[in-house]
Order: sequence, then C-alpha cells, then structure tokens
Amino acid sequence: EPEVTQTPSHQVTQMGQEVILRCVPISNHLYFYWYRQILGQKVEFLVSFYNNEISEKSEIFDDQFSVERPDGSNFTLKIRSTKLEDSAMYFCASSEGPANEAFFGQGTRLTVV
Amino acid sequence: GQSLEQPSEVTAVEGAIVQINCTYQTSGFYGLSWYQQHDGGAPTFLSYNALDGLEETGRFSSFLSRSDSYGYLLLQELQMKDSASYFCAVRDGQGGKLIFGQGTELSVKP
Repeated sequence: EPEVTQTPSHQVTQMGQEVILRCVPISNHLYFYWYRQILGQKVEFLVSFYNNEISEKSEIFDDQFSVERPDGSNFTLKIRSTKLEDSAMYFCASSEGPANEAFFGQGTRLTVV
Repeated sequence: GQSLEQPSEVTAVEGAIVQINCTYQTSGFYGLSWYQQHDGGAPTFLSYNALDGLEETGRFSSFLSRSDSYGYLLLQELQMKDSASYFCAVRDGQGGKLIFGQGTELSVKP
C-alpha cells in the first residue's frame, strides 16, 4: 500500500541551527501539507502546497519556515534558526485532491536543545 | 475564531459501544473527518462526512449534522487495540487544510 515517508524519524538540533525535514508524498498525489504536534497537544496545520506553490499557510508558518519541492518526489520543510518552542512532531501529509482523504507520514520528532 | 470541541477522554470496556462527539465552529466547512492516533504516531484516516447523515465503515460509523455543527464517531464491538486518541478535523477550505480538535483519548478496559 502506498504511504507517505518522512526522514529523519528523529532530529536533535541546537537552538539557532537550521533543519530540513524531508517527505516523500504518495506518487499520484497533488496536494501536500505540513502539520505539527507539540507533545500532548492537537495537530496544527502549518502549510499546504499545490502546483509548486504555497496555497495556504497558518500564523505559525512565519518567515522562519519555508517549503520546497526540489524534484518530482520530495517535499521539504526548512526551519531556519530553530527555537526551543519548535520542538514538536512534524507530520507531512498528501492527498489526491483537496476533498480527498489526507494520508499522513510517521512524522519527524524534532528536539531543539 | 475556529474551534472544535470534543471530550478529552473516554473509557469503555471491550465489546461495548462508544460515541465520541465533536462540535465545531469554523470560518468555512467542507466536511468533517475523523483520525485515529496511537502513541503520537501517524494520524490514520477513519472516516469523512461532507453531507448530513451516517457513514458506516465496518465497526466505525460517523455522523454529521451541518445545521447543528455537530458530528460523532461511533465505535462498536470495542477491542483493546482501539485504545488510542481520536481527533475530529474540519476541512475548512477548498485547499484541503484540516483544522483538528484537541483529541479524545479512548481507553478500552478488559
């Protein structure tokens, strides 16, 4: 069964460093998303991406964040100058269309120290 | 603002039926989804209601009333493996963005 894959599964970084979280969406999907979940809290929307551009972003997704689809398969989230409060599980998701089921990856647990 | 309300935790016994309610207030509404999450793992899609009524998928059913801004997830014949967090989520726009509730932690006891 096709699945969304994310790497790495865990990332520890020092405050102020840049991190890149990687995702390979399901191959025939056109809509891509990043969400995050702080430990014990709800899943929060960060950004949606379609047709090689951001279609929507949340207030969380400020200038510190950027997304890119560098090739036909990868979808990345870059966090510049990480802060302690960026520590969370980051989930990538993809769907065939905006009204279709969204499939989530296993997540990257980011710890900023 | 945008908000989804669901109970924080529910406890039930194996074989029982449990209903998890969700009320929502969002700027847009294109459907209500339910996701299951085990121990902080990937949220797994369970069901989706775009129109009023009941959707049944095996042991799980989901209901939506758009006029009441209300939905529920019904889990029947509970099994120990159903112990997890359950999130309702509203698709609030045409771009597919999901707004999640805080989640309901379901504990199934023997």
